[in-house]
Amino acid sequence: EVQLVQSGAEVKKPGESLKISCKGSGYSFTSYWIGWVRQMPGKGLEWMGIIYPGDSDTRYSPSFQGQVTISADKSISTAYMQWSSLKASDTAMYYCARPDSSGVVDYWGQGTLVTVSS
Amino acid sequence: EIVLTQSPGTLSLSPGERATLSCRASQSVSSSYLAWYQQKPGQAPRLLIYGASSRATGIPDRFSGSGSGTDFTLTISRLEPEDFAVYYCQRYGSSPQGTFGQGTKVEIK
Repeated sequence: EVQLVQSGAEVKKPGESLKISCKGSGYSFTSYWIGWVRQMPGKGLEWMGIIYPGDSDTRYSPSFQGQVTISADKSISTAYMQWSSLKASDTAMYYCARPDSSGVVDYWGQGTLVTVSS
Repeated sequence: EIVLTQSPGTLSLSPGERATLSCRASQSVSSSYLAWYQQKPGQAPRLLIYGASSRATGIPDRFSGSGSGTDFTLTISRLEPEDFAVYYCQRYGSSPQGTFGQGTKVEIK
């Protein structure tokens, strides 16, 4: 059974750094892209970026280029997204998502709620 | 970059009624690489339809997708109480991550 299990909720202050994780299981982690989707409170879904763990090819959506860093450790089947300096506007639910070979997202993580507040 | 525009923003209907949701692309979507997702409060999205008209595993047949080119439709033939949710269309295939529409909320009238 394919599963994506994300790290728990975080409460941070502006300017702090953060790294959240998404562990994949039940499939070949290096053979599928895995990405991150932001959902701000009461808003829609936004792709942030995506990585292919097999060769670490990483793509960012223009709005998020330079704002976050996506990485993966294929030895432990885990994808990461990190911020070096959080802002209040980073407060959101973040989902990891695995597209299938055609690109449709057939598996989602449970979400990680990030709250940034002074 | 292709932009997906969903309409209406909110659809107010009663259980048992038919829901028709629209997703319009700013350019033609090749090979009908168009998907629909359902999201309920506090839950991750769930895949309903891919390839514009193919139901994902376990999706009831009251959900159907149609369309091609720039105009796509998700139809829920008879709304069940559990169908009240937000629905997103997504164009995929040209890049690993694709593009989402802004969503349509189906609420109880």
